[in-house]
Amino acid sequence: EAGVTQFPSHSVIEKGQTVTLRCDPISGHDNLYWYRRVMGKEIKFLLHFVKESKQDESGMPNNRFLAERTGGTYSTLKVQPAELEDSGVYFCASSQAYTAIYGYTFGSGTRLTVV
Amino acid sequence: DAKTTQPPSMDCAEGRAANLPCNHSTISGNEYVYWYRQIHSQGPQYIIHGLKNNETNEMASLIITEDRKSSTLILPHATLRDTAVYYCIVRMYSGGGADGLTFGKGTHLIIQP
Repeated sequence: EAGVTQFPSHSVIEKGQTVTLRCDPISGHDNLYWYRRVMGKEIKFLLHFVKESKQDESGMPNNRFLAERTGGTYSTLKVQPAELEDSGVYFCASSQAYTAIYGYTFGSGTRLTVV
Repeated sequence: DAKTTQPPSMDCAEGRAANLPCNHSTISGNEYVYWYRQIHSQGPQYIIHGLKNNETNEMASLIITEDRKSSTLILPHATLRDTAVYYCIVRMYSGGGADGLTFGKGTHLIIQP
């Protein structure tokens, strides 16, 4: 089966611009997660979708970040306006509900650089 | 979720068994122990998980002490491709869905040729 796909793999934008990251989970996976690693820091949970609903968005840093998952398939994470401290690697992961206990499948991440 | 403690780094010779320890002394009865790893420039990769019993799969073995306060991940025949940061994560599993993971600093395992 195809893995979790993230696009783009790299993005360089100027401070104040908008960037949209996309995640395509494994087909049929109801659970979709966003994480990020800011330079020098640990990987942090951002939010969790179950199908199209936000189950937990406690990790979203502020209201400049907007995540959507219309139709319960792919998800987008928009950063508007981007700030320097948003630079880092953004990971997406997915799992089926009944196999979630076995762990998630992560994508390769999107490396975001805000200059 | 319970907090975990891991050594920041470890070396292991290629072909030998790599034993990565993790302390989770505050683990509760319904929390699982998970191991993930992140190879440079890739996303985290699930390795194995367990509740009470020792577990083995094609990648590794997980040994959990009887009091469940610590565990050891064993890579039986380490290769250079096993060089990565290994994360020990303790968390509850809520049936139907699953909560987000709390990654710590992990152990940077370096396999030496």
